[in-house]
Amino acid sequence: LAKTTQPISMDSYEGQEVNITCSHNNIATNDYITWYQQFPSQGPRFIIQGYKTKVTNEVASLFIPADRKSSTLSLPRVSLSDTAVYYCLVGVGNMLTFGGGTRLMVKP
Amino acid sequence: NAGVTQTPKFQVLKTGQSMTLQCAQDMNHEYMSWYRQDPGMGLRLIHYSVGAGITDQGEVPNGYNVSRSTTEDFPLRLLSAAPSQTSVYFCASSYLLAGELTDTQYFGPGTRLTVL
Repeated sequence: LAKTTQPISMDSYEGQEVNITCSHNNIATNDYITWYQQFPSQGPRFIIQGYKTKVTNEVASLFIPADRKSSTLSLPRVSLSDTAVYYCLVGVGNMLTFGGGTRLMVKP
Repeated sequence: NAGVTQTPKFQVLKTGQSMTLQCAQDMNHEYMSWYRQDPGMGLRLIHYSVGAGITDQGEVPNGYNVSRSTTEDFPLRLLSAAPSQTSVYFCASSYLLAGELTDTQYFGPGTRLTVL
């Protein structure tokens, strides 16, 4: 299983773009990169998944460089409601594991 | 479509008691899993299942049993509760692609368990 490293916490202000980078140096050829969001007292919620280059959906963008040893989740124009913990997961197979995540605090 | 449901929402046990946490999904997902989340920490995989009759251990399986007699249900049993098992327990489910988990997991609302 590829180990991931993320910043423990980040602060931002409303309206700013937030980029959270995840390192996964030993990612395997078949591994996907998936990001989840978790609000307090709730289960995690899928945000975005990618394999290479760039993926965009209505919530976020995911940038993956050619060597795939890192990935960056980009949240455009965050609001207070984006305050949450964001988890980067790497793997394929049946044992996806969550690291400690990044606690994003959005301030007014 | 109820998604993933978990019961109970809250539970208090005494050390040594046993109980079963219930999890059900109505999306016909092959894959189901149980995680625990301790305060301020990430989720740790306890057990998972890729289909009825098939279960396997995750990162932290000790003290827990699971069974998967139907596609819909995946109960988690605590054999003899210990204070170290105080945590929030999340159940999740997903489709499998070519027999492997590469798609999004859908999580239930969680069960908050306290063991005294």
